[in-house]
Amino acid sequence: QLVLTQSPSASASLGASVKITCTLSSGHSDYAIAWHQQQPEKGPRYLMKLYSDGSHIKGDGIPDRFSGSSSGTERYLTISSLQSEDEADYYCQTWGTDINWVFGGGTKVTVL
Amino acid sequence: QVQLVDSGGGLVQPGRSLRLSCAASEFTFSSFAMHWVRQSPGKGLEWVAAISYDGSKKYYVDSVKGRFTISRDNSKDKLYLQMTSLRPEDTGVYYCARGGESSGDLDSWGQGTLVTVSS
Repeated sequence: QLVLTQSPSASASLGASVKITCTLSSGHSDYAIAWHQQQPEKGPRYLMKLYSDGSHIKGDGIPDRFSGSSSGTERYLTISSLQSEDEADYYCQTWGTDINWVFGGGTKVTVL
Repeated sequence: QVQLVDSGGGLVQPGRSLRLSCAASEFTFSSFAMHWVRQSPGKGLEWVAAISYDGSKKYYVDSVKGRFTISRDNSKDKLYLQMTSLRPEDTGVYYCARGGESSGDLDSWGQGTLVTVSS
């Protein structure tokens, strides 16, 4: 079964970096995912598509501070030079061969 | 800049029906798969339904099969979600989203419309 697991929360200081993790279920290490940001009281915003080899394609207007990487079944989103507006929920999302789309539970990023 | 505008939400009693709409612009709507995703109050995102670019294929999460119908009108650049036999657990914000090119990522989102199912 295709499942995405995220830690519920992460935090870092203003100007620092934070790395959040999305873990694919066993047997799905070759799957690509997408990262989405949801700021408080707003709709989601597409950040990037992240492949199993770590290459990624960002959405329009996404700052260079956002980057992705991969290792095995883990997919990472790194936010550098944290800004106050980066305080948000971050969701990973993937899609299966049996025609289903799956979201992780989300990670709440707090900027200290 | 891709634009997706969701509408049609509101307060509805359990067992009743509601139709959501999503107006698309600034891209060739008929070339892309489209999705509905919902978010219950204080919870995460849940994929609800998807439709292929030409409307020939439709997919649903198990919890809405037989109750919800996704459709599209490519001549009007509009996506719809017909919801029947609504339950309190269907309450939440519903977002339309565009499917990625030849890919399963959702690469653009609407602003959402709130559906409240309550007596």
